[in-house]
Amino acid sequence: QQQVKQSPQSLIVQKGGISIINCAYENTAFDYFPWYQQFPGKGPALLIAIRPDVSEKKEGRFTISFNKSAKQFSLHIMDSQPGDSATYFCAAASGSRLTFGEGTQLTVNP
Amino acid sequence: NAGVTQTPKFQVLKTGQSMTLQCAQDMNHNSMYWYRQDPGMGLRLIYYSASEGTTDKGEVPNGYNVSRLNKREFSLRLESAAPSQTSVYFCASSGLLPPLEQYFGPGTRLTVT
Repeated sequence: QQQVKQSPQSLIVQKGGISIINCAYENTAFDYFPWYQQFPGKGPALLIAIRPDVSEKKEGRFTISFNKSAKQFSLHIMDSQPGDSATYFCAAASGSRLTFGEGTQLTVNP
Repeated sequence: NAGVTQTPKFQVLKTGQSMTLQCAQDMNHNSMYWYRQDPGMGLRLIYYSASEGTTDKGEVPNGYNVSRLNKREFSLRLESAAPSQTSVYFCASSGLLPPLEQYFGPGTRLTVT
């Protein structure tokens, strides 16, 4: 049972474009929603995170949009760069336990 | 600061063999975790330890055992490896207070033939 569903599985965008990755969750007990970025051969690293009491959080080119009523959240990467090419995971936390989405492999073409 | 370290980086086992994956963190974190990563399935929690002396099952604990040796170290043992345990294994740690960011190690790529 996948409690956090992520789409798309893969995404190709041109340099300068906007990358959008979507996630949906089921468990209303989740209270923290991080996004992790993973480069090949490395462990995931925290990119940005949001709590359900806000609808949007922006850090540089990365923005999380959160819709509590729809139980959905998304990551927007503005002005996408080739260096952003990586796998992105959304996650949802209940206490200290994280449940991850399936991952999105992002490729930004020069 | 090394952060979270894992050994070995790569391992090939035959079906039925046993091995222990080692993990250590130097961030004085209370909580530690073991995940496995398989294509198209994200990261799935195997076991976690909220604090020294405690361990709990995660989503996919069957076939694994863990030991929280002390605050720094958390090991994962495969008693009788199976091909279904071929995966990349990640250890992570986190503090007690929000934002509860988990810091991941570099991973161990395990192949069971």
